[in-house]
Amino acid sequence: KQEVTQIPAALSVPEGENLVLNCSFTDSAIYNLQWFRQDPGKGLTSLLLIQSSQREQTSGRLNASLDKSSGRSTLYIAASQPGDSATYLCAVKNLPLEYGNKLVFGAGTILRVKS
Amino acid sequence: SAVISQKPSRDICQRGTSLTIQCQVDSQVTMMFWYRQQPGQSLTLIATANQGSEATYESGFVIDKFPISRPNLTFSTLTVSNMSPEDSSIYLCSVFDRGKAGANVLTFGAGSRLTVL
Repeated sequence: KQEVTQIPAALSVPEGENLVLNCSFTDSAIYNLQWFRQDPGKGLTSLLLIQSSQREQTSGRLNASLDKSSGRSTLYIAASQPGDSATYLCAVKNLPLEYGNKLVFGAGTILRVKS
Repeated sequence: SAVISQKPSRDICQRGTSLTIQCQVDSQVTMMFWYRQQPGQSLTLIATANQGSEATYESGFVIDKFPISRPNLTFSTLTVSNMSPEDSSIYLCSVFDRGKAGANVLTFGAGSRLTVL
């Protein structure tokens, strides 16, 4: 059974800092991994998707890496801003044969960027 | 990218009642997914709504409690039946959307926040 863990559970940093959020998963036979952002009381916004064959993806100040063999992904946020404050979730999609189409989510990291 | 609209955005319900949540997508999709996010917890898939066939439920979720309709390729409803305070959650509708390089990005609606008293 796939399990996804995110560390730390919460993080508070001053504006301008570079930071790393961690995601680990127990079953390395994944199809892809997706990072989401969730603002309080809102739905989820997809940030980055990494296919199992890829090592990283970048979008603006965000960079996500994937090490499938060790079951880890990191989300790097450069020059953090107060507007980055949100909950960040990672989710993995396993090979369809075994898990169908569902994504297995981590519990998230609550990020607060102080101005 | 796909735009997903959910109604209601929030509601307060009495124990023992049922509530139906609607999900409308601006494009035709084969599968629509219903997730639940309980307070302080992450998302769990309830079921996959397939057009033209019965919904597929995940372990721990049953049709009698969470009946789903999928009348066409752009619309689905999830009913939370005989509600108890434990059903207080955010319910989210989602679809796969073609992102960059054809990757299937999971896209969510804004969610329906239910509070059961």
